Amino acid sequence: NAGVTQTPKFRILKIGQSMTLQCTQDMNHNYMYWYRQDPGMGLKLIYYSVGAGITDKGEVPNGYNVSRSTTEDFPLRLELAAPSQTSVYFCASSSREGGGYTFGSGTRLTVV
Amino acid sequence: QQQVKQSPQSLIVQKGGISIINCAYENTAFDYFPWYQQFPGKGPALLIAIRPDVSEKKEGRFTISFNKSAKQFSLHIMDSQPGDSATYFCAPWVAGNKLTFGGGTRVLVKP
Repeated sequence: NAGVTQTPKFRILKIGQSMTLQCTQDMNHNYMYWYRQDPGMGLKLIYYSVGAGITDKGEVPNGYNVSRSTTEDFPLRLELAAPSQTSVYFCASSSREGGGYTFGSGTRLTVV
Repeated sequence: QQQVKQSPQSLIVQKGGISIINCAYENTAFDYFPWYQQFPGKGPALLIAIRPDVSEKKEGRFTISFNKSAKQFSLHIMDSQPGDSATYFCAPWVAGNKLTFGGGTRVLVKP
């Protein structure tokens, strides 16, 4: 059972470039989330989804976009990358709101 | 967004000692109090959780205690081991909202 899979694990972007962080879960969870974690800090919610076709903003959505066309996939899109988006990005899923979250292993993104 | 204050930011404890991490919150209506454990280079993983109708829960060497009047819940790691060295996050949850993570506590257990 793979759980939550994130790709890529590492990426270096130049300022102004765009990329998509991939997230897939095989647990049939309805709820999915994207968090960012800056060095030595907690996790901040970027976007979340309560099911296919439904997404909503979290605490820090600016500069990001998401889509949820299937239950399994929840990609995060960065448009016009900025140095402030240098962070580690975690995708998570849960079977119910507030339930135990299962996190992926993260994507370490550096914008130079 | 609920306010959650976690303390201390970092903690060094000798092997066999007790690690205590506190989480103070503003809202009085939390429905679920999980703690997550994160090892370097990994995503957080659910460690232990408690409901507000229970004042204490113990799982192995890990205990959550809940002080409703002080609006605080704590994680105790008994007989701390080097393998417990990790960052710990509280993440109290209110129905209708998403988990709000505390700032994290980095625990280092010295052999």
